[in-house]
Amino acid sequence: GESVGLHLPTLSVQEGDNSIINCAYSNSASDYFIWYKQESGKGPQFIIDIRSNMDKRQGQRVTVLLNKTVKHLSLQIAATQPGDSAVYFCAAVTYKYIFGTGTRLKVLA
Amino acid sequence: DTGVSQDPRHKITKRGQNVTFRCDPISEHNRLYWYRQTLGQGPEFLTYFQNEAQLEKSRLLSDRFSAERPKGSFSTLEIQRTEQGDSAMYLCASSLRLAGGELFFGEGSRLTVL
Repeated sequence: GESVGLHLPTLSVQEGDNSIINCAYSNSASDYFIWYKQESGKGPQFIIDIRSNMDKRQGQRVTVLLNKTVKHLSLQIAATQPGDSAVYFCAAVTYKYIFGTGTRLKVLA
Repeated sequence: DTGVSQDPRHKITKRGQNVTFRCDPISEHNRLYWYRQTLGQGPEFLTYFQNEAQLEKSRLLSDRFSAERPKGSFSTLEIQRTEQGDSAMYLCASSLRLAGGELFFGEGSRLTVL
């Protein structure tokens, strides 16, 4: 079956440093990928997306990299801030959205 | 507020009771999804609708679960004869099929079965 997995359940980063969260997916038919951020008690919030015909996309302080050869994507957060503390999920999309288990990002002061 | 809204936000019930959750998607969105999320896990797909048609149901959706979207607008998710294992956050999300593909989530309905 389809699966999406994140490499680390928890990532601790010093404030101001860059964060990299990695994700692997299994379904080569996935043509769209999204990163979400979820704060405690809230629904997931969209961060950035990327289509399968791209290998990099940049937003404000965030970059998503896609490697279709090894079915891997990553989220890079520049100059990590305390407000970035949350659980981050990647989702691989065909007609439905399959989410990974999430990586909790802890920002250390 | 024009986002996805869910009601109730919290529900505590006794085992064996029936519960119903409601989701109002963003008005022009024709796709609506239900997910279940347990502590420490990502959202697990339950079912989705294209307008009023229910196009797929996950194996997670036992026969005690039923979802409807009668007029292609709001949706309900009913759980009959609740069990303690049903305790979770139930998330609703909507998307506009031909747009960039972003899935907009509501804040969820947290179910606790005692």
